[in-house]
This record gives sequence, C-alpha cells and structure tokens, in this order.
Amino acid sequence: KQEVTQIPAALSVPEGENLVLNCSFTDSAIYNLQWFRQDPGKGLTSLLLIQSSQREQTSGRLNASLDKSSGRSTLYIAASQPGDSATYLCAVYSGGGADGLTFGKGTHLIIQP
Amino acid sequence: DARVTQTPRHKVTEMGQEVTMRCQPILGHNTVFWYRQTMMQGLELLAYFRNRAPLDDSGMPKDRFSAEMPDATLATLKIQPSEPRDSAVYFCASGQDVDNQPQHFGDGTRLSIL
Repeated sequence: KQEVTQIPAALSVPEGENLVLNCSFTDSAIYNLQWFRQDPGKGLTSLLLIQSSQREQTSGRLNASLDKSSGRSTLYIAASQPGDSATYLCAVYSGGGADGLTFGKGTHLIIQP
Repeated sequence: DARVTQTPRHKVTEMGQEVTMRCQPILGHNTVFWYRQTMMQGLELLAYFRNRAPLDDSGMPKDRFSAEMPDATLATLKIQPSEPRDSAVYFCASGQDVDNQPQHFGDGTRLSIL
C-alpha cells in the first residue's frame, strides 16, 4: 500500500527566504506526483504535476523535482511571500485499480511579513 | 475558469439523520472522486467513478455510505445513518481519464454530526 510522508509538518520563515518542502513515497511505481496548495476552509489548488518520466516542473517561483527511484520529491519556493502561507500537500497517482490520489498530511507553511 | 461545484458548503445535523452531498464535475471530465479530510487521517479516497460507473469504493464504510452518479453532471455521496465520527470535510474532484492529467477539486462540504 502506497504511503506518502511530508516533512516538515509545519514551517515558519521570514518573508523573502527560499525554502524547500519534502515529500517521500514508499512505492516508486507511480504515474505522476502532484503538489497542491490548500488555504484554510478551501479546497485544493493544483500547483504542479510531474509525470513519472520527468525530473522537474516549474511554475513562476515554484519548482518541483521528482526522483522516482528513491521515492522523493521536493517543492522549492523562491523568494517567499506572506501570500504563500498555506498548507502544501503532496499526492501520488499510482493508477491501476485504485485510481485515486494518495496524499501526504501536508506541510503547514507560515511566511512572516 | 471551469470549477468543480459542491453543495452544501456546510452541514450540521444530528446523528442518525441522512446526509446528502452533491458534486457537479467539470464539463467534459469523465472521472469523479470523493475524498474525506480529517485532522487525524488527512485526505483519504472514498470512491471513484469513471464514465459514471463506480470503479472503487473500498474506502467507504458500505453499511452507511453510498455514492452514485445519476448523470454526467451530478455525483452524490450519502450517509445514512450519520454518526459523529463522520464529521469531516468531504471533497469531490474530477479529471479526464488520461494518465498524467491533474485532478481538480471543489471547495468541499464541511460536515458536523452532533
């Protein structure tokens, strides 16, 4: 059974810093990995999707990397802003009979002004 | 932008009552997922539909939960009878049945069973 772990569970940094969020998964047989952002009381917003054949994806100040063989992904946020404060969730899609996403429990990020 | 729409946004009811949550997937999406989010367990898959057919509902307590898609524009998740441990946020997501396509989530139904 696929398990996804996110470290750290919470992170608080001053505005302007670059930061890295970590995600690990136990079964490397995945189709893709997706990073989401969740604001309080809201649904999930997809930030980046990395296909299993890719090493990284970039969108603005966000860069996500994937090392499938070692079961790891990182989300890099450059020049953090208070508006980046949210919970960031990593999820893997393994396909097959259970086609839903398997989620980590998230990293709660606070960017201090 | 096309969005997944969930109703109601909030629901408070007493234990034993029937609860129905509704989801309108994005037009053209043929996969629909129901997830439940709690502080302890995080996000868990409850049910999955492809082309309106249920493919996986192994995450649901089947004695009280049921999920259906009466048509391509509506998915429902029912709990009968409801229990306090069902209190959670229930999310619906939809996607295109092509590998490596992202799932799009609604804003969820926040359910409280008293």
